[in-house]
Amino acid sequence: TQLLEQSPQFLSIQEGENLTVYCNSSSVFSSLQWYRQEPGEGPVLLVTVVTGGEVKKLKRLTFQFGDARKDSSLHITAAQPGDTGLYLCAGHTRGSTLGRLYFGRGTQLTVWP
Amino acid sequence: EPEVTQTPSHQVTQMGQEVILRCVPISNHLYFYWYRQILGQKVEFLVSFYNNEISEKSEIFDDQFSVERPDGSNFTLKIRSTKLEDSAMYFCASSSPWPPDTQYFGPGTRLTVL
Repeated sequence: TQLLEQSPQFLSIQEGENLTVYCNSSSVFSSLQWYRQEPGEGPVLLVTVVTGGEVKKLKRLTFQFGDARKDSSLHITAAQPGDTGLYLCAGHTRGSTLGRLYFGRGTQLTVWP
Repeated sequence: EPEVTQTPSHQVTQMGQEVILRCVPISNHLYFYWYRQILGQKVEFLVSFYNNEISEKSEIFDDQFSVERPDGSNFTLKIRSTKLEDSAMYFCASSSPWPPDTQYFGPGTRLTVL
C-alpha cells in the first residue's frame, strides 16, 4: 500500500497552460515537502508545508496543505518548458518531524513549447 | 548556497564486494539520512542518524548495511556484500537543528552491481 498517492502519474501539457497535481493519503502528516527531481539527480526541495490549510507561493507555483493535513496540491500557473520534471511529495507522519520521509511515486510533468 | 555532496557519482562493483558510499552533509546540520531509489520506483528510506547513532532504520537496512560518521564532515554508507538487487541510486540527505522537518538531498550515487 502507498502511504502517499500522487496523481496524475503523467501530465503532458502545452506551454502557458495551468495545471494542478495532487498528493493524497489516509494518514495525517506533521509536514509535507515537495521536491522536483531530474533524471539521474537528487530531489531538489521546493517547499515545506506544516500547518493545515497553509498556502505557500513560489513564483508561479502554489502549494496547499489540506486542513486535515492528509493531502496537498501543487498548482502551476502558465507552465513553461523549464517546469518539466518529476514532482515528488514526501512527508513525516503525525507525531514526528524527524527521521523517515515517506515519498509518493511522483508526477512526471512534460511542458511542450 | 550550502549543499549536500556525494561521492562517487557512479560505482560499479561485482556481486559480493563491499562498497562505501560517501556523503558530506551541509555543515551545520545534525541529522543525516540515507535513501535509495531503484530505477523507476519511489524513493525509499534506509536509515537516519543523529548524535553518532542510528535513530531509525527501515526493513531494507539489514545487517549488510552500516553507517558511520568517521569525522566531523563525512557520513558513509557501507554495504558489506553487495547483491544484484542493491543496484539503485543512493541519496544522502541532511536536516538542520531547527526546523528539522526539511531534508536536503545530495545528487546521489548510482550503484551498479554486476
